[in-house]
Amino acid sequence: DTGVSQDPRHKITKRGQNVTFRCDPISEHNRLYWYRQTLGQGPEFLTYFQNEAQLEKSRLLSDRFSAERPKGSFSTLEIQRTEQGDSAMYLCASSLLDTQYFGPGTRLTVL
Amino acid sequence: AQRVTQPEKLLSVFKGAPVELKCNYSYSGSPELFWYVQYSRQRLQLLLRHISRESIKGFTADLNKGETSFHLKKPFAQEEDSAMYYCALSGNYGQNFVFGPGTRLSVLP
Repeated sequence: DTGVSQDPRHKITKRGQNVTFRCDPISEHNRLYWYRQTLGQGPEFLTYFQNEAQLEKSRLLSDRFSAERPKGSFSTLEIQRTEQGDSAMYLCASSLLDTQYFGPGTRLTVL
Repeated sequence: AQRVTQPEKLLSVFKGAPVELKCNYSYSGSPELFWYVQYSRQRLQLLLRHISRESIKGFTADLNKGETSFHLKKPFAQEEDSAMYYCALSGNYGQNFVFGPGTRLSVLP
């Protein structure tokens, strides 16, 4: 296990299309986080899972966004009807206790 | 609402000079505070957390509850310290995780 992985690393899509990102956490980690990061800003929290339960969702997560973590392992983040404002780096992190380990991110560009 | 501020977007110092990256926070409760670092072309990684009271790569940070600050310090900066530094906080169970906007540290030769 070489750490948190994310797929794809880059995604270019047209406005209005749906996109799905995947995150594979470190195998024994029960917590999983999604963040969004735009240029010049720190990561903004989107949502948090403990095992398969989604415990917290940010107000940034509009109804076009949905995240799942079936069986408490990998997670997916789906954005429906993408908008240009969704262009950002989407980061995933996992943790066992309080130290989060980050993936490389998925860079989304909405044209 | 919880919030983390880092007043400097960019901090430039010469090699061997002391460095202090400022972080202030607001949180209703007792947060846990962290410093994360992102070196060029690398992923975000934990540098240190206040509960462990450790020194990593010569960096230390002291939680000042009275001033609600968690400034990061190093007495003698090295060129390899050049990176983006983010202060962050969370609740006791990993919830309410908030990052600051980050400070880019540039250590000049």
